[in-house]
Amino acid sequence: DAGVIQSPRHEVTEMGQEVTLRCKPISGHDYLFWYRQTMMRGLELLIYFNNNVPIDDSGMPEDRFSAKMPNASFSTLKIQPSEPRDSAVYFCASSPTADSQETQYFGPGTRLLVL
Amino acid sequence: KNQVEQSPQSLIILEGKNCTLQCNYTVSPFSNLRWYKQDTGRGPVSLTIMTFSENTKSNGRYTATLDADTKQSSLHITASQLSDSASYICVVSAPNAGNMLTFGGGTRLMVKP
Repeated sequence: DAGVIQSPRHEVTEMGQEVTLRCKPISGHDYLFWYRQTMMRGLELLIYFNNNVPIDDSGMPEDRFSAKMPNASFSTLKIQPSEPRDSAVYFCASSPTADSQETQYFGPGTRLLVL
Repeated sequence: KNQVEQSPQSLIILEGKNCTLQCNYTVSPFSNLRWYKQDTGRGPVSLTIMTFSENTKSNGRYTATLDADTKQSSLHITASQLSDSASYICVVSAPNAGNMLTFGGGTRLMVKP
């Protein structure tokens, strides 16, 4: 398996533009997670899905952020409009089950810079 | 609020030396504790996972310990190698919280030749 795939790996955009981050989870994994990582706040959970359904989006910072999972093999995280404080590395992770013993497998991340 | 605190924030050691990283948590009730390694520019990778009933878990040169009474964990790295240079993140999960995790801020380790 190729692991969790994210695209793009790097994104530079100007304030006010729309940004779309993409994720392909590991095949067969029922859970998908979006995280944001910054130097100041470390890793933060934004939202997670179970079988394509959003379960908890309490970590989404504000209405400018939205996430979708139209099918089991694809998810997007959209920021509209983007702001400089959104600059961070965004990780997607997946796991087979919700068992707390289960490992989450992380993608390589998308490094976002908003100018 | 559930928290996970790690120390030190950063550490520099010479190749071949041992080191120990610390993690204190307040997550309660507690289900399990994981240590992740994150290389620069990459996503975190799981090293060890321990339930509340386990005291120690090894993965090669990495040994994690857990004291559920004092809510402390440590990650000991033996005979460090240059490839051990990375951030090490302590992650705690609570029961009945699905797969939701509470992350520590990480310890940035640099191994010098």
